[in-house]
Amino acid sequence: GAVVSQHPSRVICKSGTSVKIECRSLDFQATTMFWYRQFPKQSLMLMATSNEGSKATYEQGVEKDKFLINHASLTLSTLTVTSAHPEDSSFYICSAPADTHEAFFGQGTRLTVV
Amino acid sequence: AQSVTQPDIHITVSEGASLELRCNYSYGATPYLFWYVQSPGQGLQLLLKYFSGDTLVQGIKGFEAEFKRSQSSFNLRKPSVHWSDAAEYFCAVRSFGNEKLTFGTGTRLTIIP
Repeated sequence: GAVVSQHPSRVICKSGTSVKIECRSLDFQATTMFWYRQFPKQSLMLMATSNEGSKATYEQGVEKDKFLINHASLTLSTLTVTSAHPEDSSFYICSAPADTHEAFFGQGTRLTVV
Repeated sequence: AQSVTQPDIHITVSEGASLELRCNYSYGATPYLFWYVQSPGQGLQLLLKYFSGDTLVQGIKGFEAEFKRSQSSFNLRKPSVHWSDAAEYFCAVRSFGNEKLTFGTGTRLTIIP
């Protein structure tokens, strides 16, 4: 089946630095990528939708300048957490919809800001 | 707007016992329904999905779910759980023509020997 590869799986960064998370669709073209954030023991909250070749669409309350999304090709979408702070520590997951109407998820990235 | 409710936050089941995880949705038309499983620190794996047709759908790992339109439910079942089934389970819904998934709050499944 379709695979979405997310990297890195874990990252620890210092407060004030930026972190980039990559999601690649390995055997299909992903014109759309969804980015979710998941707090401990909670559900997934959609942050933004990236579309290849156009600007990302952010959900209400999500700071677009804090969470920069780029979807430069049909197989790669990136999320950059800029000027990270401890409250940005979370589990971030990407997901790409497939032609079969289902979504394929990356493995997730555990971000810890110290 | 569509929404998903998973009434049970945490369920504990003995190994070998049967399991049912509840999911109710709110949507005007027939939605696309999904169940995903998430192991700690991992992404989500699709267990099964319902789009149309037979209301009883079979998934991977011995799971099945039944779509009941009259009850707006899509409960997940397994006749005999294994210790490896311990995980977080999410019910999700999306509408026709909209690729966004709306997730329930999840049910954490604990298996005891």
